[in-house]
Amino acid sequence: SQTIHQWPATLVQPVGSPLSLECTVEGTSNPNLYWYRQAAGRGLQLLFYSVGIGQISSEVPQNLSASRPQDRQFILSSKKLLLSDSGFYLCAWSVRSRGGDTQYFGPGTRLTVL
Amino acid sequence: LAKTTQPISMDSYEGQEVNITCSHNNIATNDYITWYQQFPSQGPRFIIQGYKTKVTNEVASLFIPADRKSSTLSLPRVSLSDTAVYYCLVGMNTGFQKLVFGTGTRLLVSP
Repeated sequence: SQTIHQWPATLVQPVGSPLSLECTVEGTSNPNLYWYRQAAGRGLQLLFYSVGIGQISSEVPQNLSASRPQDRQFILSSKKLLLSDSGFYLCAWSVRSRGGDTQYFGPGTRLTVL
Repeated sequence: LAKTTQPISMDSYEGQEVNITCSHNNIATNDYITWYQQFPSQGPRFIIQGYKTKVTNEVASLFIPADRKSSTLSLPRVSLSDTAVYYCLVGMNTGFQKLVFGTGTRLLVSP
């Protein structure tokens, strides 16, 4: 069966510090990968998606970046965090199926920027 | 991408059936309708997906009228543990798709 991991689960970082969040998927090959952010009480905002190694598409301009160094690894980074980067970060994966591109989400990382 | 509209919140009591309706007037021919459930501090969880008519699984039913401009998620006999946010999404079933999550419907189940 497929599983998705994210770490760390929680993170408190000062403004201006770097960020690296990691997501890995097991049990599937060539998945589509996604990074979302969710502000408190809000819906999910798609940040990045990737259809293959080294292929990253950005949905919103921001100081975050994403990379996919391996087929089942997706990394979210920042060189200098802003207060507005606080939120709940979710990684998701999907593979094409008859019923559409159903996405499966990881447990998330709660980021607080102080 | 088809936009969806859902009620912001709903209240119910244990044991009742809950129906959450989602409107998606601009749904495209190839779009499927998918519902997710999200508990606080957790990632959304896939509940059910359908294209037309009715789909049922072990946790919910999805009713889709012939014009597919709306859909209704039906949760039979809810319990306190069904308190969550429910998202309705539409997207293509061919190729890569970018799902758009709205604010969802916050369901509160009381004793």
